[in-house]
Amino acid sequence: GAVVSQHPSRVICKSGTSVKIECRSLDFQATTMFWYRQFPKQSLMLMATSNEGSKATYEQGVEKDKFLINHASLTLSTLTVTSAHPEDSSFYICSASPPVRPGGNEQFFGPGTRLTVL
Amino acid sequence: RKEVEQDPGPFNVPEGATVAFNCTYSNSASQSFFWYRQDCRKEPKLLMSVYSSGNEDGRFTAQLNRASQYISLLIRDSKLSDSATYLCVVDTGRRALTFGSGTRLQVQP
Repeated sequence: GAVVSQHPSRVICKSGTSVKIECRSLDFQATTMFWYRQFPKQSLMLMATSNEGSKATYEQGVEKDKFLINHASLTLSTLTVTSAHPEDSSFYICSASPPVRPGGNEQFFGPGTRLTVL
Repeated sequence: RKEVEQDPGPFNVPEGATVAFNCTYSNSASQSFFWYRQDCRKEPKLLMSVYSSGNEDGRFTAQLNRASQYISLLIRDSKLSDSATYLCVVDTGRRALTFGSGTRLQVQP
């Protein structure tokens, strides 16, 4: 299957700092990438859809000024958590789809970034 | 009502058992359906897509009932390595996926 990488895998930071997470599709081009967040014992929740060359689309309740998304190329999307607070501590996962094909929209996930804000 | 609903479990079964998970979805316009597997503190990995005609991959069988908006996953001859959380996932047509909260399976020796 397609490979998606994510960096860093783990971040521990102080409250008030900003954290940037990178998501890369390694063997395909992705015009669209997705950012999810997962709190302990909960399901993945979509935060935003990242579109190459245009603004991201945020889900209801997700602050666009706090979670900055940049999709500068067909293989890279970044999520910056600005002025992080302890309640932002979570598992952040990106995903990407190869070009749409018959049979469904398979998405491949990065390994995730575990953010802990002290 | 959640868009995708699953029994959270846990399902505790002995090795070799057959276990079935069910899932319902609320959006009748949903187009694609999947089962993902997620191990503890890891990202989800695609287990299999679910087709209207039903499909099988080794010990795993997935079924879709569009009329009832119901998806199932059957695991035969359970292995210890099958222990994980199984996520029912639906694509409503906007390319982002909607995840169920997952069903936890624990296969015991």
